[in-house]
Amino acid sequence: DSGVTQTPKHLITATGQRVTLRCSPRSGDLSVYWYQQSLDQGLQFLIQYYNGEERAKGNILERFSAQQFPDLHSELNLSSLELGDSALYFCASSVESVLAGVNEQFFGPGTRLTVL
Amino acid sequence: GESVGLHLPTLSVQEGDNSIINCAYSNSASDYFIWYKQESGKGPQFIIDIRSNMDKRQGQRVTVLLNKTVKHLSLQIAATQPGDSAVYFCAENIAGNQFYFGTGTSLTVIP
Repeated sequence: DSGVTQTPKHLITATGQRVTLRCSPRSGDLSVYWYQQSLDQGLQFLIQYYNGEERAKGNILERFSAQQFPDLHSELNLSSLELGDSALYFCASSVESVLAGVNEQFFGPGTRLTVL
Repeated sequence: GESVGLHLPTLSVQEGDNSIINCAYSNSASDYFIWYKQESGKGPQFIIDIRSNMDKRQGQRVTVLLNKTVKHLSLQIAATQPGDSAVYFCAENIAGNQFYFGTGTSLTVIP
């Protein structure tokens, strides 16, 4: 158990819909990362937040957005869903202190999104 | 239509043998690397990391070797066990920015 929790575990929805995925980082971790893992593209970095602010952006579509709240949990919002958005969405967290430099990321169990 | 899965390199080893999994990274400026293990139905799990100022780092039953000249990373698993069966992939990072992940290698341990 990594200490990172994600809800829901599974999500089935229809094209055009909007969903919200939730992530609670490990206690004490300030940084949250979102990843998409699909069958044909492997693990792709989407976005990172550090202490409530966006830190880095990867291959995130404009239809997707995220935020990190004051209690450090994060939500990933996916809208106007397409069939190709079906994938596993992982959240990871790390301490990421300036002194420690780049830190190990701890991954949650993922949310499996199926768009029909 | 039929979905096409990611065609991962595969490695099959006998239980007890040593395994070597390789990774070629893309950016010569990458200064931090992690090896992850992902078992079926689970999220990636950290195995070992190495910074670019090192050539080798050892953990429990695992060793990571870094060759910056040819941008190559390897993961050695000693005395491979059935529980080591998983997909292994490397990730590279530049100056604390986003991680880039390799596509992975599927390791199967034959009892």
